[in-house]
Amino acid sequence: QQPVQSPQAVILREGEDAVINCSSSKALYSVHWYRQKHGEAPVFLMILLKGGEQKGHDKISASFNEKKQQSSLYLTASQLSYSGTYFCGSHTTDKLIFGTGTRLQVFP
Amino acid sequence: DAGVIQSPRHEVTEMGQEVTLRCKPISGHNSLFWYRQTMMRGLELLIYFNNNVPIDDSGMPEDRFSAKMPNASFSTLKIQPSEPRDSAVYFCASSLTGQNTEAFFGQGTRLTVV
Repeated sequence: QQPVQSPQAVILREGEDAVINCSSSKALYSVHWYRQKHGEAPVFLMILLKGGEQKGHDKISASFNEKKQQSSLYLTASQLSYSGTYFCGSHTTDKLIFGTGTRLQVFP
Repeated sequence: DAGVIQSPRHEVTEMGQEVTLRCKPISGHNSLFWYRQTMMRGLELLIYFNNNVPIDDSGMPEDRFSAKMPNASFSTLKIQPSEPRDSAVYFCASSLTGQNTEAFFGQGTRLTVV
C-alpha cells in the first residue's frame, strides 16, 4: 500500500515555510525522503529510523512518529532550489515503496 | 563509481514491439529496484531483487512485463508486446541491503509506445 502524502501541491514565495506530511496504513520501520527535480531522477534527502527521530539537513528537517505511522518534512525559509517533487518512502523488509508525492514550487 | 547506469535514455517504439530496458547498479550494492513513473500513478515499484534473486514482483502489471538479473552488475526489464499505456519513465535504483540505506537512482528511460 502506497503511503499518502499531503498536500499534493504547494506554492511558496522565497523565504516561506512548508510542511509535507506522509501517512501509511501499514507499520513504518523507517522513512526515507527524496526530492525529484523536473526531468531528473529522485535524489536522497534523509532517512529516519526510529520513532520520534528528527533529522535536519540545512534548512530541511523531518520527524517520524512511529506510533501514528506518520512522518513530516519541514522546509524552512524556502529557496528557489527547493522546487521539485518530494517523495516519502516506506522501507519494510528491504522493499522501498514511495508515497504519492508533493509538488513544491518556490517563486521569487 | 559512475552511479546507476540505465540505457537507453529514450525509447520510442511501435505498439506490439518488444522493448528491453537495461540497468547497471552501483558495484557492491545487492538490492536492485525497478520503478515506473507516470503522472497518474506516481512512482510505482515493479519488482526488486536481492543478491540477484527476484524477491517481490507483485508490482509487475501483467505477464507482458518480465525482469531478470543474471549477475550482480546487470538487470533487464522487458515488455513484450508493448502497448501505448506502457509509456512512462522507468527508473532503476540500487542500494545496500537494509532499511537504513539510501537508494541511488539511475537517470531513467523515457519510453514512448505509439
